[in-house]
Parts: sequence; structure tokens; C-alpha cells
Amino acid sequence: NAGVTQTPKFRILKIGQSMTLQCTQDMNHNYMYWYRQDPGMGLKLIYYSVGAGITDKGEVPNGYNVSRSTTEDFPLRLELAAPSQTSVYFCASTLQSSYNEQFFGPGTRLTVL
Amino acid sequence: AQTVTQSQPEMSVQEAETVTLSCTYDTSESNYYLFWYKQPPSRQMILVIRQEAYKQQNATENRFSVNFQKAAKSFSLKISDSQLGDTAMYFCAFMKLSGGGADGLTFGKGTHLIIQP
Repeated sequence: NAGVTQTPKFRILKIGQSMTLQCTQDMNHNYMYWYRQDPGMGLKLIYYSVGAGITDKGEVPNGYNVSRSTTEDFPLRLELAAPSQTSVYFCASTLQSSYNEQFFGPGTRLTVL
Repeated sequence: AQTVTQSQPEMSVQEAETVTLSCTYDTSESNYYLFWYKQPPSRQMILVIRQEAYKQQNATENRFSVNFQKAAKSFSLKISDSQLGDTAMYFCAFMKLSGGGADGLTFGKGTHLIIQP
């Protein structure tokens, strides 16, 4: 199993550009999450999904959108990138039956200039 | 809403020493999990140890153990016989169970632990 994979690893965007951060898991997990980690801070929840077709906002959803058309994939869309979205983005997943362990991807470092 | 506070931004100890990282949290929930995650320079998030709030016994994983004080809302991590590979950011995290875990984790700001040779 590859676990949770994220692409790209690094990206530089100009203000106003858009992009999609990809996240895929091959563990058949029903719960998936997107977090962001700002410098010197802990992770904050952006969006989460409890299954295909079901998503909900976390603590810091503004400026982002998500979709979940399959169990495996949970892409995060940034529209009109702003410098405040410069951060490291982590995707995570877990099984509802073992929700006490989230598996994290390696992260995407995004810089908006 | 829950909050997690880690009051030690950075700690430094000598190899083989024992170190304790502090974490306090605030919640009105009665059922929850607490976690310690390690983030080395590779930035990969690694689960170190977890504690179910309904269990009175403190969790242990090899050199890692916790001191869980539910009434005081305190959840410290003790690392025994510290090793150079323990150098990393350590995050305390909270998860309530009322949403079945769907709400995700609430993290503290982290403690940067440096193990000196």
C-alpha cells in the first residue's frame, strides 16, 4: 500500500492563480481530511469528508473548495490564491471504525507570491 | 470548541536524558481521544502515542509514556532515554468522539525538541 499520497510536493503560485492539490489513499478509508500548517503553528482543519459525495467545512475553509467523487480521492481547490494561503497542506485519512489513528500524506508546500 | 495549549515552544536535552513535554486542553466533551504526533524535518506526521479519555491507565509505547490527568485537563508526554532521532516538533492533539471522529483533530502549536549529543 502506498498509503496517502499528495501531489505536488512543492508549488509556487502568483496571486490570483488557481490550483488543485491532489490527495489519494489506497487503504479504503472512508474519512478524509485537509489540514494546513502555517509556520510555527499546529495543523488546522480546512475541510473533511465522511464518504464519497459528503464534505463539510472545518475551522479554516475560506478560499478553498473540495469534492469527493470517489472513496480514494479528495482534491483541494484553491481559487484566487492569496499570500495568506502560503502554507504546508496535509491530507489525512482514517477508517470510521478506527478513527483514533489518522494517516497523513507527506504534505504540499505552497507559496503564493 | 476545543483548544490545545503547548506552553513550551522549544526544549533541549542531552542524549539519554528523560524529557517531559506539556500539554493542556480545554473542552466540554466527556468522550475524546488525545494524541501526541511527531514531525521530524521531513515534515511527515507520525503518531507517537494515543490515550482514550475513558481509560484511567496511562498509555505507554516503548520509551514514550503519557501522564493523563483528566480532571486537570493535562496530557504530558515523557520520553525516556532520549535519542538523537527524537529531535523533532511534537504536537499534542485532541479529537472528540461525539462526531465519530469526523470533525478531525485539534492541534496545539507544538514543541520543538532538540536532543543534543
